[in-house]
Amino acid sequence: DIQMTQSPSSLSASVGDRVTVTCRASQNIGTSLHWYQQKPGKAPKLLIYAASSLQTGVPSRFSGSGSRTDFTLTVSSLQPEDFATYYCQQSDSTPYTFGQGTRLEI
Amino acid sequence: EVQLLESGGGLVQPGGSLRLSCAASGFTLRTYAMTWIRQAPGGGLKWLSSINANGVATHYTDSVKGRFTISRDISKNTLYLQMNSLTTDDTAIYYCAKTRRAATNYAMDVWGQGTTVTVSS
Repeated sequence: DIQMTQSPSSLSASVGDRVTVTCRASQNIGTSLHWYQQKPGKAPKLLIYAASSLQTGVPSRFSGSGSRTDFTLTVSSLQPEDFATYYCQQSDSTPYTFGQGTRLEI
Repeated sequence: EVQLLESGGGLVQPGGSLRLSCAASGFTLRTYAMTWIRQAPGGGLKWLSSINANGVATHYTDSVKGRFTISRDISKNTLYLQMNSLTTDDTAIYYCAKTRRAATNYAMDVWGQGTTVTVSS
């Protein structure tokens, strides 16, 4: 199975900050990497697909980059509604594993 | 509007069975792959199973292989997850999700609200 490791596990930040979350795959997954946001009590929401493509309706302050084994999710200027947990997920090969999550806190 | 509505969760004893349903609206299951994901209390997301758009290809994570079965009824536009031999480790919120394409190896762009399964004696 492909292991997905996110760092950090938690992150404290303030409104207006630029933050970056990293996701590392245990083997080459090309660009088959996606990012989701989950708020407490809610279903996850797709933010970025195929490493760098912004999902329709997602604010442009979110961006993704990377390929092969190393990927990043960047929020250019944090807004109050961005405080949530973020997950990466690979779809290169089954099982389509998720990272353990990064909790973004104030 | 594209929507997914899960149902069928509940309390079940260890060793029991449940069938989860995921009713799709605003699109047809014939066009997109579908996936089940679960989240244990306080835990992260775990991919469980996917089925491609033509229903021919199914995939499972090892921990549910042989116990869970993914299927769909095109006439009802509904996805199912039959869960047998349940253990306390299966206690979680179960989500269904639509994949962006017909194949399973794409991102999941629409998620249901989830249904809670509790396995306890």
